[in-house]
Amino acid sequence: GQSLEQPSEVTAVEGAIVQINCTYQTSGFYGLSWYQQHDGGAPTFLSYNALDGLEETGRFSSFLSRSDSYGYLLLQELQMKDSASYFCAVRVLYNQGGKLIFGQGTELSVKP
Amino acid sequence: NAGVTQTPKFQVLKTGQSMTLQCAQDMNHEYMSWYRQDPGMGLRLIHYSVGAGITDQGEVPNGYNVSRSTTEDFPLRLLSAAPSQTSVYFCASKLGGATYGYTFGSGTRLTVV
Repeated sequence: GQSLEQPSEVTAVEGAIVQINCTYQTSGFYGLSWYQQHDGGAPTFLSYNALDGLEETGRFSSFLSRSDSYGYLLLQELQMKDSASYFCAVRVLYNQGGKLIFGQGTELSVKP
Repeated sequence: NAGVTQTPKFQVLKTGQSMTLQCAQDMNHEYMSWYRQDPGMGLRLIHYSVGAGITDQGEVPNGYNVSRSTTEDFPLRLLSAAPSQTSVYFCASKLGGATYGYTFGSGTRLTVV
């Protein structure tokens, strides 16, 4: 089976730093992605890690440790517009790279 | 460039009816997928396709059929709607090769009564 674990809710204040963790147990692993979703709208792609280490994209960074089956999304200088749901997703097949399995999502609330 | 277009945006069906959710993309994306999203359940993969003529099952395929006769279109068919299929359905697509981010459509909100 496939299992991705994320906290269901996280709350932080504007300007702070928040980390959203994701642990996974999947039949295969070829990369970890992160997506953002506002108010049930279309999810949008944030980042991807195939190898261990930190990937940085502006205020957002994503980390992966394959030996620990663990990754996290780090959001810095939080803004009110960052209030959204965040999903981790594992690419579980190599030759069929389209097969993504998602976690249940973390709802981030940013307070003034 | 319209991206990923899903129709209809809203639909109410009676139990036992069939219907097709449409998904089209104009980005020449190789990979396409269908997900359903229920409260507290995240996104669950229904079916996916890695190219025209090639489809495969995801996590929750029962009660749904797909086909991929063209690169652009990936319709999802509900064979006999059940209340358990009440959900928000998202279609997504991406390029093949070393590209990793899916582009999602805005969703179809389906209610089965």
